[in-house]
Amino acid sequence: GESVGLHLPTLSVQEGDNSIINCAYSNSASDYFIWYKQESGKGPQFIIDIRSNMDKRQGQRVTVLLNKTVKHLSLQIAATQPGDSAVYFCAETIGQGKLIFGQGTTLQVKP
Amino acid sequence: DTGVSQDPRHKITKRGQNVTFRCDPISEHNRLYWYRQTLGQGPEFLTYFQNEAQLEKSRLLSNRFSAERPKGSFSTLEIQRTEQGDSAMYLCASSGAGGASTDTQYFGPGTRLTVL
Repeated sequence: GESVGLHLPTLSVQEGDNSIINCAYSNSASDYFIWYKQESGKGPQFIIDIRSNMDKRQGQRVTVLLNKTVKHLSLQIAATQPGDSAVYFCAETIGQGKLIFGQGTTLQVKP
Repeated sequence: DTGVSQDPRHKITKRGQNVTFRCDPISEHNRLYWYRQTLGQGPEFLTYFQNEAQLEKSRLLSNRFSAERPKGSFSTLEIQRTEQGDSAMYLCASSGAGGASTDTQYFGPGTRLTVL
């Protein structure tokens, strides 16, 4: 599968491979983190979230990892499908306040 | 459909005109947020409400922008004397149903504003 340690604006993977999208967040006081998927012309769609008292959370085909020491978040997508092609954003927040979005990563899935 | 809805989906206006957008949140959500997104960038926070109270406004929200949520349900965002730099996607999100997902913000489809 494709794995990157640093944030890249674009990630291209083969269908069926695993994808890893990285994000650095800014505020060490942030206690809640969300990954969103955004398709062209649409609003961001919730994928998975994690609170600061956890370091890993799994969903269906997706896993989020949180490393508070280096303020790093990653999204792992298993068996990437063409329908996963989109821009992915991480977001951080404190409590119920505003979201601060990271740089997006465009995921391209090659058939 | 019980998600966040926004109206209109697209708005084209001439510079100097006023525009108003509407957002209807998920019905049981008490918090409502407005964001702005320009091409190639992530959404940027503008303002948010808890029930009818506007709790925070970004410095991005100039005095030409005003938002209301008069009854704690739907919200409107008005831009007066639009400028070309206002062209963007305006996104609304809501949260606060209670339980484990109370902090999760769910987004609407956005209103695409083009100022000519």
